[in-house]
Amino acid sequence: GAGVSQSPRYKVAKRGQDVALRCDPISGHVSLFWYQQALGQGPEFLTYFQNEAQLDKSGLPSDRFFAERPEGSVSTLKIQRTQQEDSAVYLCASSSLGGHTEAFFGQGTRLTVV
Amino acid sequence: AQTVTQSQPEMSVQEAETVTLSCTYDTSENNYYLFWYKQPPSRQMILVIRQEAYKQQNATENRFSVNFQKAAKSFSLKISDSQLGDTAMYFCAAQTTDSWGKLQFGAGTQVVVTP
Repeated sequence: GAGVSQSPRYKVAKRGQDVALRCDPISGHVSLFWYQQALGQGPEFLTYFQNEAQLDKSGLPSDRFFAERPEGSVSTLKIQRTQQEDSAVYLCASSSLGGHTEAFFGQGTRLTVV
Repeated sequence: AQTVTQSQPEMSVQEAETVTLSCTYDTSENNYYLFWYKQPPSRQMILVIRQEAYKQQNATENRFSVNFQKAAKSFSLKISDSQLGDTAMYFCAAQTTDSWGKLQFGAGTQVVVTP
């Protein structure tokens, strides 16, 4: 596609509900990143994929967070039993190679847990 | 581990004027990259400018330029001839060469350009 696409753009979840956030990276991009951006703060790294391999998940805040990229393209970030502190914008970024080529970001999914 | 600090929550500038955003970072790595990203209300992060730490020459992209002071671990962004479309959050970010491209962001500076 022309850019990184994320869906949905907005999600309201009741506390305790499971949610799934989708990221469609730029076609052919090897690297995919998820970031969490709390209100008024900078993005914080969650996890990194190189093709289908999850090489770094050190930023996932708890075992309620799970990410996958089974075919090395589309990725899903799943949050189980959502809590209010999970409310944030979730940003996805992709780049053509692992390392230091430019990362292109999607517009994010704003998750609000009520 | 690395940290990125932006100490200016908000900066206001008049159209056509110049504004400078400050950023300091801390890293024990020798090889790293520094970035400035712009985030308008649409939320999409847009790369403004990038600097390789091993390059002494300051990066420039049209109206945007940086002042990279490696010894002081300082990386400021200068926006010249400010335009209304420059109104956005600006984030400084660092990336080490062994981090898969993972970015460490600062807290951001809101830039407001007024007519």
